[in-house]
Amino acid sequence: AQSVTQLDSQVPVFEEAPVELRCNYSSSVSVYLFWYVQYPNQGLQLLLKYLSGSTLVKGINGFEAEFNKSQTSFHLRKPSVHISDTAEYFCAVRSLLIQGAQKLVFGQGTRLTINP
Amino acid sequence: KAGVTQTPRYLIKTRGQQVTLSCSPISGHRSVSWYQQTPGQGLQFLFEYFSETQRNKGNFPGRFSGRQFSNSRSEMNVSTLELGDSALYLCASSLSRDESSYEQYFGPGTRLTVT
Repeated sequence: AQSVTQLDSQVPVFEEAPVELRCNYSSSVSVYLFWYVQYPNQGLQLLLKYLSGSTLVKGINGFEAEFNKSQTSFHLRKPSVHISDTAEYFCAVRSLLIQGAQKLVFGQGTRLTINP
Repeated sequence: KAGVTQTPRYLIKTRGQQVTLSCSPISGHRSVSWYQQTPGQGLQFLFEYFSETQRNKGNFPGRFSGRQFSNSRSEMNVSTLELGDSALYLCASSLSRDESSYEQYFGPGTRLTVT
């Protein structure tokens, strides 16, 4: 079974400051890793994904994440945040064990608040 | 291309009633997954349908069921509603043609309130 831990439930940051949202996962098999963002009263939007290859992945809206296999982490970063980045962010994993199945296991979410 | 649509967006039901939620995937997508989102439990996987067959199921009681039609549209049903079923129900679709078509695209959700 897989599990995902997002280490911070809330992260307040000033506008134009850098931010890192931390995610650790646990799995006995290889996984795909994802970060999603959820704005108020909306569904989830995919920010970025790691499948294989380069451990540094770039996504939309200036976000990037680094996969660290030894530390089983997939932290999300942005060098300079904007007010519009205020949202809830979810880290998720999908097992490669079950062919084709689309089950995602999510972390509890990190609420990012950008202050002017 | 239109995104994933879910109807209705908001729903209020009374304990003991049943409810049916609908999801229309992105055109061409064959896989539809359902998730429940609550403040206490977060996002939890309910089930996934592919080509009208349930392919994967989460740890929810039998009161939660679903189905998929030949046009890939999906419905989920909750019978004998309980207060704890109040949640945002999210639907996601993906191509699922092969292992490379892994991305799930989410709809806006249906907010269910049980009173």
